[in-house]
Amino acid sequence: AQSVTQPDIHITVSEGASLELRCNYSYGATPYLFWYVQSPGQGLQLLLKYFSGDTLVQGIKGFEAEFKRSQSSFNLRKPSVHWSDAAEYFCAVGPGGATNKLIFGTGTLLAVQP
Amino acid sequence: DAEITQSPRHKITETGRQVTLACHQTWNHNNMFWYRQDLGHGLRLIHYSYGVQDTNKGEVSDGYSVSRSNTEDLPLTLESAASSQTSVYFCASSADRDPYEQYFGPGTRLTVT
Repeated sequence: AQSVTQPDIHITVSEGASLELRCNYSYGATPYLFWYVQSPGQGLQLLLKYFSGDTLVQGIKGFEAEFKRSQSSFNLRKPSVHWSDAAEYFCAVGPGGATNKLIFGTGTLLAVQP
Repeated sequence: DAEITQSPRHKITETGRQVTLACHQTWNHNNMFWYRQDLGHGLRLIHYSYGVQDTNKGEVSDGYSVSRSNTEDLPLTLESAASSQTSVYFCASSADRDPYEQYFGPGTRLTVT
């Protein structure tokens, strides 16, 4: 069965430091890959997506993610974190085929220290 | 601007009562989804619909039902609320041309006492 793993439940970084959030997926073929962000008390917002082509994708708010087939990973990065980036981040997989469903990871809660 | 709304935003109900959570989208999207969010579980799919009169069960559908009588609305009904259904519920929608790009509502926090 398809699955998504976000190994880090909670991460704390200092403002201005770089950030990498990990995501690993289990799927036989190349899935569609997504990162969503959830600010406190809000719904989820799409940060970026990967369908095919260039393995480094750019998203909103200065985020990027790199698809690595050999590692079954789709890690999210940002060179310099801002206090407003404090939120929960979800990686998701769209298995493709006849289904339009997304499978979400359990999320990583990001705290930003001043 | 198009949007997706949920009501109520907060609800407290008693065990055994029937509860309906509303979801309304003005994107004219065919695909609509209901998720619940619980600590340690991320988002889990309850039910989904690919169009009017179409409904499908997700991974945690027991105790929930949906109906789709028009494009804009997908209400979620808890037939007999249980304490295990205390959660935050999110509705989402997506277009056929880009079905995985889901737009989420603000959520409904449901407490079952």
